[in-house]
Formats: sequence, structure tokens, C-alpha cells
Amino acid sequence: AQTVTQSQPEMSVQEAETVTLSCTYDTSENNYYLFWYKQPPSRQMILVIRQEAYKQQNATENRFSVNFQKAAKSFSLKISDSQLGDTAMYFCAFMKHSNAGNMLTFGGGTRLMVKP
Amino acid sequence: DTGVSQDPRHKITKRGQNVTFRCDPISEHNRLYWYRQTLGQGPEFLTYFQNEAQLEKSRLLSDRFSAERPKGSFSTLEIQRTEQGDSAMYLCASSLEGRGNNEQYFGPGTRLTVT
Repeated sequence: AQTVTQSQPEMSVQEAETVTLSCTYDTSENNYYLFWYKQPPSRQMILVIRQEAYKQQNATENRFSVNFQKAAKSFSLKISDSQLGDTAMYFCAFMKHSNAGNMLTFGGGTRLMVKP
Repeated sequence: DTGVSQDPRHKITKRGQNVTFRCDPISEHNRLYWYRQTLGQGPEFLTYFQNEAQLEKSRLLSDRFSAERPKGSFSTLEIQRTEQGDSAMYLCASSLEGRGNNEQYFGPGTRLTVT
């Protein structure tokens, strides 16, 4: 079984600054995917960024980038130039590579507050 | 079709009553997932459909829970004899088999409160 741990229940950052959210996971799988999802208050969850475990290059999506350390089983999210709209719960998630069901295993979440 | 929809958005029920939730996935998506999210926690997997076949169920899905996807399109999740511990947000997600990014698209959820 896989587990995902987010050790920071809450974080805050000033608008325009940079913040890093931490995530560690435990698995015996070699092929898998990692995701960061954003859940704004009272709104639905959306995908922020994804990483394939076989790729050494860290994924980037505009202001969002990850630091993927496979050996350390670490997958942190960096948000640059933070905006008020980044205020949300952020969930790290693991997906085993499989031709069958691709269920997600989520961490407990980090509540991020961007302050003006 | 703009995304995954769920109905109702909120449901308040008394302990012991039965409730049913509906999920309409993105139209071309053949995979459909149900998750449960309690307050302040991450979502937990409940069950998964590929087309109309229910292929996997979590141990969280007790005998009081049943899910269907009769025509491989919309899905229903029924909880019988609700308990206070069933209070949670029930999330539905869908994806397209074979799509390389494996992205699951989530609906807005149904928030269940059992009094």
C-alpha cells in the first residue's frame, strides 16, 4: 500500500513571494505518477501539476514547479510570485502506473493562505 | 459538456435514512471514481468503474454502501441506514482510459450531513 504525508497543515505567504509545500510518500512501486491538486474554498479540486516517476526532469507549469527526489521519495511544490487566487488547500497525490484502475492516494493536505 | 457534475450539492439527513447521490462524468470518459473526504483531510478512494463494470472497491466501502453505473455513463452512490460517521464530502472524478496524462477531473462534490 502507498502512503502520502504532508507535514505542513497550514502555511502562509505574502503576495508575490515564493512558497514551498512539502510532500513525502512511501511505495514499493517503481513506475508511478505524482500530482499536486488545488482545492479552493468551496470549489472543486483541480490539477496543478503532475510528474512521471521515470522522468528525471522536474515538471513546471508557469509559476508552479516541483522538486522530485525519487530516492528520497520526496515531491515538493514551489509556487513563485504567489497570488491571492493561490489561496487554497493543496493535496499531494500518488498514482500507481497500471492498466487497470488508477486510483489516487492523497496526503492530508496543506492549507495555504496568500496574504496581501 | 463542461465538466463533472454531481447532484445534490448538499444533503442533510437523519440517522438511519437512505441517501443516493448522482455523478455525471465528462461525456467521453469511460472511468469513474468515487472518493470520500472528511473535514480537514485528503480524499480517500471508495470505488472505481470502467464503463459499467465496478472493478475495485475500498475496504472503506461497507455493506451499507452501493454504487452503480448501469449504462457506463452516470453513476449513483447509495448509503443505506446512514450513520453520523458517514458525514463527509463525496467526490466523483472521471478520466479517459489511455489518455497519457492519467488526469482525473473532479466534480464539486456532495456534502452529506447526518444528524
